[in-house]
Amino acid sequence: EIALTQSPGTLSLSPGEKATLSCRASQSVSSNSLAWYQQKPGQAPRLLIYHTSSRATGIPERFSGSGSGTDFTLTISRLEPEDSAVYYCQRHDITSLFGGGTKVEIK
Amino acid sequence: QVHLVQSGAEVKKPGASVRVSCKASGYSFTTFAMHWVRQAPGQRLEWMGWINVGNQNTKYSEKFQGRVTISRDTSASTVYLDLSNLRSEDTAMYYCARDLYSSCLDFWGQGTLVTVSS
Repeated sequence: EIALTQSPGTLSLSPGEKATLSCRASQSVSSNSLAWYQQKPGQAPRLLIYHTSSRATGIPERFSGSGSGTDFTLTISRLEPEDSAVYYCQRHDITSLFGGGTKVEIK
Repeated sequence: QVHLVQSGAEVKKPGASVRVSCKASGYSFTTFAMHWVRQAPGQRLEWMGWINVGNQNTKYSEKFQGRVTISRDTSASTVYLDLSNLRSEDTAMYYCARDLYSSCLDFWGQGTLVTVSS
């Protein structure tokens, strides 16, 4: 069965810096089947990116996604304090699977 | 606007069953599938299954096969999650989420905490 591994586990950066989050699949994933979510403490997840690189409605341009095959990346170009959260990748198809998450801390 | 409102927290004993509801509003209820995702304390999101609200077809994660049932009531615009034979490992926050397309989830309920404890 496919597995999604996210790295790093925690990322600690300052406001204005760029964050690069990785999601690696154990088998090739269709580019149409990779999404990213943001989850803040005590809240439900929020869809950021689908189709590997399409931003969901209302998502700021500083969030972007890229990748193909087994390696996918979420980039936050200029971190803002409100970006402090856990970020999950998801392989979505007829079934669904989430990665283990990357926690982004803002110094 | 789209709203998914879930039922309140539940405390259950091991071996019992639980039903969590998710009432949808703000869109055409039968047009979008609905999923259930759970999250144990400090753990990753775990997909449980989904229902095609239009035709009632369902698909479940193999992990929960035999213990989970997802159903809907179109007259009440509500989707239900039934989980049976509860054990302590089922203690988690349970979320419903609307399917934008192909299990990509664009709107989420607020979550329902289910605690299983003797």
